Amino acid sequence: SQQGEEDPQALSIQEGENATMNCSYKTSINNLQWYRQNSGRGLVHLILIRSNEREKHSGRLRVTLDTSKKSSSLLITASRAADTASYFCATLFEGNQFYFGTGTSLTVIP
Amino acid sequence: DGGITQSPKYLFRKEGQNVTLSCEQNLNHDAMYWYRQDPGQGLRLIYYSQIVNDFQKGDIAEGYSVSREKKESFPLTVTSAQKNPTAFYLCASSKFRGTHQPQHFGDGTRLSIL
Repeated sequence: SQQGEEDPQALSIQEGENATMNCSYKTSINNLQWYRQNSGRGLVHLILIRSNEREKHSGRLRVTLDTSKKSSSLLITASRAADTASYFCATLFEGNQFYFGTGTSLTVIP
Repeated sequence: DGGITQSPKYLFRKEGQNVTLSCEQNLNHDAMYWYRQDPGQGLRLIYYSQIVNDFQKGDIAEGYSVSREKKESFPLTVTSAQKNPTAFYLCASSKFRGTHQPQHFGDGTRLSIL
């Protein structure tokens, strides 16, 4: 499968702590995107990082990409209860098709 | 506000029945997608369409059919040939099927078997 794999599958932290989740993939990519999904809802796009970029920031989000290791990480700083959701990475391969990972379920405890 | 509307939110299918899930977008996006999400799994692509009157199969197209008669609409039919249809179905769109475009998602339809 070309699907990305997130790690850990589940993460529980206290409000105010940082949350880090990782994504690994198998083949060369054009870009990698991170999405958030609240329970029972659709996915919301968070951030996109291109294959020639190594780091990107958006508010409290920081994404890194290591193409040599075929991995990416998403850091959420100063977490809030509202950050409780599942987070997915999506990788775009040469065929212009996105493949989504299995997700990390984040719980932020108030 | 622009967005993607999926309906219904919940749908029940009887044995041997075809059901159609609606997806409408007013974002003026060219590309539209259908995904299936099972518990504890990521999204799997069923079908996608880049332009009107054209669509391609994704990884799990068997037992499903689509049409794209209008730019705004991309309905998905779950046919009786799909033996395990219970899942959460998500529709998405993007400006075009280019390499650096994010996908915008609807809020999904949850399909169950009666």
